[in-house]
Amino acid sequence: SQQGEEDPQALSIQEGENATMNCSYKTSINNLQWYRQNSGRGLVHLILIRSNEREKHSGRLRVTLDTSKKSSSLLITASRAADTASYFCAIRNTGGFKTIFGAGTRLFVKA
Amino acid sequence: DGGITQSPKYLFRKEGQNVTLSCEQNLNHDAMYWYRQDPGQGLRLIYYSQIVNDFQKGDIAEGYSVSREKKESFPLTVTSAQKNPTAFYLCASSTHRVGGEDTQYFGPGTRLTVL
Repeated sequence: SQQGEEDPQALSIQEGENATMNCSYKTSINNLQWYRQNSGRGLVHLILIRSNEREKHSGRLRVTLDTSKKSSSLLITASRAADTASYFCAIRNTGGFKTIFGAGTRLFVKA
Repeated sequence: DGGITQSPKYLFRKEGQNVTLSCEQNLNHDAMYWYRQDPGQGLRLIYYSQIVNDFQKGDIAEGYSVSREKKESFPLTVTSAQKNPTAFYLCASSTHRVGGEDTQYFGPGTRLTVL
């Protein structure tokens, strides 16, 4: 499968803790994106990291990319109950048109 | 107020009926997509369109059909040939950048249930 695979499948933490989700893939990529989905809603784009970048920040989000290991991680710092959602990584293959989504990590933040 | 809309939010269908899901965007995006999402699963690509009057099959196109007569609109028809159509359907749009950065903007989704 070319799709990104998230790990863990589900994660439950206390408010204020950090949450880390990982994504692995198998092909050569142009970029990798992270999306968030609240229950029963559409996906919302969070952050994009290019294949020549190693780390990117956006507010409480930190994304890393290791192309040698074909993996990425999403760190959410100081989590809040409102961060409860599913998080998906999506890869764009080199020279490709389609964006391929993984199965997602379900994050539950307890207040 | 730019965005992408889908209707209806909930749709019930009897077996053997065709139904059409609406997707409209006013973001002036060239590319549009339809995905299917089953409970606890990721997104699977049904069809995509890179430009008006052109579309291609995705990974699970059997039992579905689309049209792209206008840039703003990309309706999806779920036909009676689709054996297990109960799912959450998501429409998305993006600028058309082959091999480049391509953030997708999603609609709120349509939940289809076959009775």
